[in-house]
Parts: sequence; C-alpha cells; structure tokens
Amino acid sequence: AQSVAQPEDQVNVAEGNPLTVKCTYSVSGNPYLFWYVQYPNRGLQFLLKYITGDNLVKGSYGFEAEFNKSQTSFHLKKPSALVSDSALYFCAVRKMDGSSNTGKLIFGQGTTLQVKP
Amino acid sequence: DSGVTQTPKHLITATGQRVTLRCSPRSGDLSVYWYQQSLDQGLQFLIQYYNGEERAKGNILERFSAQQFPDLHSELNLSSLELGDSALYFCASSPTQGLSPLHFGNGTRLTVT
Repeated sequence: AQSVAQPEDQVNVAEGNPLTVKCTYSVSGNPYLFWYVQYPNRGLQFLLKYITGDNLVKGSYGFEAEFNKSQTSFHLKKPSALVSDSALYFCAVRKMDGSSNTGKLIFGQGTTLQVKP
Repeated sequence: DSGVTQTPKHLITATGQRVTLRCSPRSGDLSVYWYQQSLDQGLQFLIQYYNGEERAKGNILERFSAQQFPDLHSELNLSSLELGDSALYFCASSPTQGLSPLHFGNGTRLTVT
C-alpha cells in the first residue's frame, strides 16, 4: 500500500537559514511524489513533483526536493527561508489502484513550518 | 487563484440535517476529487470523478454521496450530519487521471452544531 510519513509536526527555522521538511514514502512500484503548501484559510497549492529523472526537483517559490530511492525519502528544501514561507506543508504520493489509472493523492499528516525573523 | 471554485465558503447546520457542497473545476479539467480535512484525521480522500463517472472511492461514509454533472461541476451531498462531520471539505481538479498536479479550491468549512 502506498503511504507517506512526515515525521515532524513542526519545523522552526530563522529567516535566511536553509530549511528542510522531511518526508518518507512507502510504495510498491515507481513512486510519484508531490509537495503541496497550505496557507491559513486557503486550499493546497502545488509546489513540485517527482515522476522520474533527476533526483533534485525544482519547484515554485524557490523550493526544491531531493528524491532518495535508497532512503525512500523526498525531503523539501529551500536554501534561504522567508517569513512568508510559514505555512503547512504536505507531502503526497499518487496511489495506484490495481489496473485503475487513478490520479488520487494520499497525503501525509502535514508539517507546520515556522520561519522567525 | 487555482481556478477551482467552491461554494459556499462556510456552512453551519444542525445534526441530522443534509447539505450540498458545490465545486466548479478549472476550465478544461475533467477530473474532480473531494477531500475532507480535519484536525484528527488530516486530509482524507473521499471520492473521484472523471468526465461524469465515478473512478475511485476512499473513506467516504454511506451518508455521503457525490456526482459530477455534464458541465463537469460536482456536488458533494452530506446527510444525517453528525458533530464529527465538522471539517473543511476541499475539491480539487486535474486535466486527466494521470500525473498532472491537482489544483485545489479554497474549501467549504462545515460546522455541525
């Protein structure tokens, strides 16, 4: 069964410092992984995805994620955090239902990122 | 703006009642997904439609039902509401069933009193 885990409920980082939000996955077959961000009272916004190819994926707002097959991880990173990056971040995996080619996503529990000035 | 429109934004109703949540997908998107977000359960997938047909079902209660209409908008019907149904309900859409990202609306916040 496909699943993702986000081991940290909250990550605190100072503005200007690099940030990492962790995600590990469990899938059978090829992993299709996504990161989304949710600001207060808003829907989720797509940041980036890994389907195949380069292990370092670049996304919106300066975010990137590193796919590591041996560690089954897909950590979200940013070289220099901004206060405006403070939000709830979700890792997700696309779930395959047997022969059905559905695109539904299974989300992790979310990690709150707090960037302090 | 994701292009996905959900109405109403807020809904307050009593236990035992029935409500309908509406979603208009992004222009051109054929697939619609419904998710429930609550503090204790996180983001739970409920159901997916593609071009009017149900394609996948998640942890959707029998009291809940959904449909996608010929104009591709979708409605989620919640009946015999319980206090535990209070949550944020999101609709998302994508062009296909494949690997394109889902685009989420801003949600409907349902409060059952």
